Amino acid sequence: ILNVEQSPQSLHVQEGDSTNFTCSFPSSNFYALHWYRWETAKSPEALFVMTLNGDEKKKGRISATLNTKEGYSYLYIKGSQPEDSATYLCASPSGSARQLTFGSGTQLTVLP
Amino acid sequence: GAVVSQHPSWVICKSGTSVKIECRSLDFQATTMFWYRQFPKQSLMLMATSNEGSKATYEQGVEKDKFLINHASLTLSTLTVTSAHPEDSSFYICSARDPFRGNQETQYFGPGTRLLVL
Repeated sequence: ILNVEQSPQSLHVQEGDSTNFTCSFPSSNFYALHWYRWETAKSPEALFVMTLNGDEKKKGRISATLNTKEGYSYLYIKGSQPEDSATYLCASPSGSARQLTFGSGTQLTVLP
Repeated sequence: GAVVSQHPSWVICKSGTSVKIECRSLDFQATTMFWYRQFPKQSLMLMATSNEGSKATYEQGVEKDKFLINHASLTLSTLTVTSAHPEDSSFYICSARDPFRGNQETQYFGPGTRLLVL
């Protein structure tokens, strides 16, 4: 069983602020790293799947970086908006079916 | 994007009854679906991997006779909580992979089912 950790557990920012949070995972036998956004009462939505060390992916104001050698990924949100309020989950696959092991998530609240 | 539905979204039942939760991939075929459980303030915990046409693979500590999984078609997997007890009260959520869409590793999630056993 992988140990995937996220920090901080929760975060409150003002509208317009930029923010970032961390996902750490075992660097050995690395396969991929997933980021999801989970808004209340909705389905978790896939943001990124990252596989290569040094990868940087971007979707609008959200971007993510990956360091497989040291076992961490950062998720950045530029100019946070209230609609960015959600729980952000990272997950790493393992096993024959590449089952996902999730971190506990970072709950982001963007205050207007 | 790929859409996964789950039904029901809420269920309240009496202790000792069985509850069936359906997970459907609406616009793609899924040979593999996953069932997760989330306790309050905890992460999603994988319960089992559901494979179309074969037996599910359960994670350690998950009772297969308690949580029956059937994946009879490429678009439907069901989770039946048998003889439910209050400790089974939780949030259950499913996901599926679409091997023909974008990144094959991405899992598409349903909205989840909240089960309350009285």
